[in-house]
Formats: sequence, structure tokens, C-alpha cells
Amino acid sequence: EAGVVQSPRYKIIEKKQPVAFWCNPISGHNTLYWYLQNLGQGPELLIRYENEEAVDDSQLPKDRFSAERLKGVDSTLKIQPAELGDSAVYLCASSLDGGSAGGAHEQFFGPGTRLTVL
Amino acid sequence: AQSVTQLGSHVSVSEGALVLLRCNYSSSVPPYLFWYVQYPNQGLQLLLKYTSAATLVKGINGFEAEFKKSETSFHLTKPSAHMSDAAEYFCAVSRWGTALIFGKGTTLSVSS
Repeated sequence: EAGVVQSPRYKIIEKKQPVAFWCNPISGHNTLYWYLQNLGQGPELLIRYENEEAVDDSQLPKDRFSAERLKGVDSTLKIQPAELGDSAVYLCASSLDGGSAGGAHEQFFGPGTRLTVL
Repeated sequence: AQSVTQLGSHVSVSEGALVLLRCNYSSSVPPYLFWYVQYPNQGLQLLLKYTSAATLVKGINGFEAEFKKSETSFHLTKPSAHMSDAAEYFCAVSRWGTALIFGKGTTLSVSS
């Protein structure tokens, strides 16, 4: 079974440029998460989707970050414009069901996209 | 609000020695607790999880953790460390319907 796929794996951009990250979750997983992982820190939730609905985006900086999950499968996370402080690893994860069974379902993580903003 | 504290950002052990990684949680309701491992340039992999069943949880690669409500702890142990165990370990907590809240992580180094 294929795992969570993310692309690109690495991205280097100049500040003020836009950038987008793509995630393909495990087939059949209804819940998709985007996490931000700063160097030396644990991942922090940016947004959580149940199918195509964003059910928790309270930590997403909406002035520059946006996300979408069309058709409840793949998802894209965008930053426009990028700032120096956005340099981090962006992790995508998916689980069978994040709602009715809560956090008990295992979240499967992709390898992440390492963003460097110069 | 929930939170996780991992005591010790870096733990060093010799190959064959006991591994003990500490995690304390804060939660107003019974939590779900997890340990994840992250190897360099890879995503996180679940080691084990506690979901209110047995308090002693066995995971992959010989790891286990014990949920102690009175101490609000969920420490990770392995009787005998192997070189391949060197990695970053994260403790995480969640409740029904929420995402994971992670600790800051503990780097485990294993020397021969």
C-alpha cells in the first residue's frame, strides 16, 4: 500500500515569492492534516480536513496561507508571499477517520517538504 | 487545554543499555497518547498508542510505554538499545475529534 505522498521534497525560494505544496493521502483516508515543523520542534497543526471540509484551521495564518482539498482527496497548501520565518518542514498526514473515533486512529505521515526562504 | 512535556531534549545510551524517554501530559479529560519516531529526512512513524485499554502498551521494534494516570506520564522504554534506534522521538496527546499535540521531541543517540 502506498503511503502519504508529498511533493516537492525540497523547495528553495526568495522571500515574497509564492510557493505551493502538494499532498496525496493514503487511499480511503477521509481525514487529512497539514502540520508545520520548525527545526528542533514537534509538528504543529495548521489545518485539518474531514473529506473536503476544513474542520480546524484556527492555527492557519490566513493572511498568507491557504489550503484546499478538492474532491476530498489530494490537498494543496500555498504560501503567498513567503517570509523568512516560513522556512520549515511542512508535513502532511492522513487517517481513516479523525472525527467519530477522535484521535485514536493512527495518523500516517508523509516525508514532508523542506522549505527554505532566502 | 492539552499539552505534552518531554523531559530531556537529548538522551545518549550505549548499545545494549536501557532506553528511557520521558513524557508527561496535561489533559482535563482522559487522553489518547502516542509515541512517534522520526528518522532524518523522513516523516513520523507510529511506535505505539494508548487509547484507554491496557495501561502497558507494546509497540514496534521492542518499545513499550506505560500510562500512569497518577503521575500523568507516558514514558517510553526499550530494554536493550540498538544502533538503529538512533532517531528523534515525539510524544503526542489528543482527545476525541482533535488533532495531535506534540512535544518538542527527544533525540536519542546510541553509541557502540
